[in-house]
Amino acid sequence: QSALTQPASVSGSPGQSITISCTGTSSDVGGYNYVSWYQQHPGKAPKLMIYDVSKRPSGVSNRFSGSKSGNTASLTISGLQAEDEADYYCCSYAGSSTWVFGGGTKLTVL
Amino acid sequence: QVQLQESGPGLVKPSQTLSLTCTVSGGSISSGSYYWSWIRQPAGKGLEWIGRIYTSGSTNYNPSLKSRVTISVDTSKNQFSLKLSSVTAADTAVYYCATGGGGSYYYWGQGTLVTVSS
Repeated sequence: QSALTQPASVSGSPGQSITISCTGTSSDVGGYNYVSWYQQHPGKAPKLMIYDVSKRPSGVSNRFSGSKSGNTASLTISGLQAEDEADYYCCSYAGSSTWVFGGGTKLTVL
Repeated sequence: QVQLQESGPGLVKPSQTLSLTCTVSGGSISSGSYYWSWIRQPAGKGLEWIGRIYTSGSTNYNPSLKSRVTISVDTSKNQFSLKLSSVTAADTAVYYCATGGGGSYYYWGQGTLVTVSS
């Protein structure tokens, strides 16, 4: 069970859209529709932003959206805002009742 | 609104057992269909899923930690616990308890730093 692969960092200007990828294998991301995304600000606990690939919990802005193609899941943030600057982690079911996180992506809003 | 709070020693000696408890408030640990999980994060690094327990007592663990991890639940106290044996410096991390449906963690504790050092 290896960590999912995310880019170390992405950046964008306010108002722009960015996409963070999360690459796994057919044994995790590609095999199940159980990918979630978390936002983490420094010193804070993670916050659920997307679950089951593309569903948004109540209260999460519709600027956040998720998708999946093959072994890669993606989180897209549109209309980038300064408050979106944070670390983002993907998480996937990995079979046998286990779960695996990605290495995390630092989003910088320029 | 479910709230989670981790508690336990902040310093553990190498080779000893790390023990943490997560107290659940705002709801019964026995109700619903939630799994109660532990997740950790070494300083400056990513999240690592440790394992989870269902209210029935059924557990699942990260294969890389399975030989050292035990998660248990005490429904009478509305708590669940983590024990990690034979710790080394590599186990130094912020430990979170979390819950939600399936593998979607909607509720998180604030996290507690555990340092392994002599």
